[in-house]
Amino acid sequence: IVMTQSPATLSVSPGERATLSCRASQSISSNLAWYQLKPGQAPRLLIYGASTRATGIPARFSGSGSGTEFSLTISSLQSEDFAVYYCQQYNNWPPYSFGQGTKLEI
Amino acid sequence: QVQLVQPGAEVKKPGSSVKVSCRASGGTFSNFTVSWVRRAPGQGLEWMGRIRPVFGKTTSSQNFQGRFTIIADESASIVYMDLSNLRSEDTALYYCARHGRSEPGIFDIWGQGTMVTVSS
Repeated sequence: IVMTQSPATLSVSPGERATLSCRASQSISSNLAWYQLKPGQAPRLLIYGASTRATGIPARFSGSGSGTEFSLTISSLQSEDFAVYYCQQYNNWPPYSFGQGTKLEI
Repeated sequence: QVQLVQPGAEVKKPGSSVKVSCRASGGTFSNFTVSWVRRAPGQGLEWMGRIRPVFGKTTSSQNFQGRFTIIADESASIVYMDLSNLRSEDTALYYCARHGRSEPGIFDIWGQGTMVTVSS
């Protein structure tokens, strides 16, 4: 399954809302996760089951969608949210597949 | 809280092999599955393979057939990945990641990554 993320780069100001998109090449039900990657840090799980926040993830992060279209919304961007975000499908494996990532920049 | 500890970096020559470790600190891999995921420069994340240490059962991506091996030392809570016949395209940051217990397809804890550089 091919995962396609858009846009590749998103420029947003602190305090604004950001919406990242992820599309699957075929239906994956709600078996989709989102991860945050920062340089020098371990990747962090944000969302699984398309819309369930992982433990300790702030409420400003929300996920939605099912089937082939998904989105991750960050309601009010904080400085620590500027990072690269990946979606991942786990409906059909192997292999687990990831999108190419969206870089969220100031 | 379990952390996954990986070495920082490895430098290898083309044609050689690299073995990278992933140790569970503050816990064990008992009844969990562990995967390896890599990120090449300018590329996205790529899943390589997984192991269930308690059973030793492995599954690998076809992209690495014949070159990639995962083994586990369950008693020491260490998982290793071995990639052979290295080429420059294998230069990447290699992560180990633990699968979730209630949602086995997700990766809920990650290591910080091991940078493997393949260069003559």
